[in-house]
Amino acid sequence: ETGVTQTPRHLVMGMTNKKSLKCEQHLGHNAMYWYKQSAKKPLELMFVYSLEERVENNSVPSRFSPECPNSSHLFLHLHTLQPEDSALYLCASSQDRTDSYGSAFGSGTRLTVV
Amino acid sequence: QKEVEQNSGPLSVPEGAIASLNCTYSDRVSQSFFWYRQYSGKSPELIMSIYSNGDKEDGRFTAQLNKASQYVSLLIRDSQPSDSATYLCAVNSGNTPLVFGKGTRLSVIA
Repeated sequence: ETGVTQTPRHLVMGMTNKKSLKCEQHLGHNAMYWYKQSAKKPLELMFVYSLEERVENNSVPSRFSPECPNSSHLFLHLHTLQPEDSALYLCASSQDRTDSYGSAFGSGTRLTVV
Repeated sequence: QKEVEQNSGPLSVPEGAIASLNCTYSDRVSQSFFWYRQYSGKSPELIMSIYSNGDKEDGRFTAQLNKASQYVSLLIRDSQPSDSATYLCAVNSGNTPLVFGKGTRLSVIA
């Protein structure tokens, strides 16, 4: 089993739908992240959680709502998204929030908003 | 604003040649440096990390760091078509998450 698992792999949703992305890490890490990756853009950090506490929110629109019930699980709740939100959403984890040893990524959720 | 710059490519090299990928960063206090490989439609995979000036070798990969010039590079010896991917440079400044470059697309021609 891979260290960081994400579900679903693909998601198509309408602009009025509500859906959630799920991430689980099996590495014993204390920090978890949500990234957005759009075509021809660098990875955009969305949220950082350290020991279940949100420590950084990079001005992400409120239609994205993270939840971290424990250090192994991370969710991204989506509602009333826009077509420009279509992207690859990646979950990652690292030993701690200083990220000194790099991050391990999940396989991502390819989101299409129609 | 901390920045990590990479040439987007594509960088095309013949099979068996050395591929050289470069990255510059703006934050002088950066401490940890990483190279990730990302195949099309897949997630990034950590392939190299380097923390001190000089070279670090791992198989066909060599990472080079020069903190005075604020650049880090990745050399891939004996390039194979399976090395064709986008290579992301990432930099850590100690108390913040990684900052990623846009990536360089490498194409190894058989």
